[in-house]
Amino acid sequence: DQQVKQNSPSLSVQEGRISILNCDYTNSMFDYFLWYKKYPAEGPTFLISISSIKDKNEDGRFTVFLNKSAKHLSLHIVPSQPGDSAVYFCAARAGAGSYQLTFGKGTKLSVIP
Amino acid sequence: DSGVTQTPKHLITATGQRVTLRCSPRSGDLSVYWYQQSLDQGLQFLIQYYNGEERAKGNILERFSAQQFPDLHSELNLSSLELGDSALYFCASSVGDRMGNEQFFGPGTRLTVL
Repeated sequence: DQQVKQNSPSLSVQEGRISILNCDYTNSMFDYFLWYKKYPAEGPTFLISISSIKDKNEDGRFTVFLNKSAKHLSLHIVPSQPGDSAVYFCAARAGAGSYQLTFGKGTKLSVIP
Repeated sequence: DSGVTQTPKHLITATGQRVTLRCSPRSGDLSVYWYQQSLDQGLQFLIQYYNGEERAKGNILERFSAQQFPDLHSELNLSSLELGDSALYFCASSVGDRMGNEQFFGPGTRLTVL
């Protein structure tokens, strides 16, 4: 039973345009969400996070939106750059006392020059 | 470079064998986490240690075990290996013991069981 779902295995976007990566979750106990980026032959790298008390968090070109009622979050990258080409993982934590992160399967983003 | 090191980078072994994966956390980090990423799967949390003590267990098989040593490095032991254990194994570290703390990942160990 996948509690964190990234339904798009891959996404291609033109350089300079917006990339939107989506993530759905089923566990209403999740209170903290993170996005990680992973290049080939490297470990995941933390990108941005959002607490469930917020609906938006922005960091430079990266913005994460959270819609709690829909149990949906999205990562927007504007403008997209070729260096953004990587696999993006959505992850969630179930409560401040939880020690466990639950990851989605990832979305491979390709930014075309 | 995240500051987390993992050895070896690649490991090829046979079914039934036992292997040990090693992880050195970032300087100052007390928590170590182990994850497994199988083909086309997300990262599956296996186990967490904090300052030498087991703190949380995830989807870790009975054939797998881990420990964290006084110098804070950690080892993941995989025994009676099966074909399905072939995967990327990541180690991550963080300062504190809460999952909200940002985790820094190592480059991973690719295990192939033949």
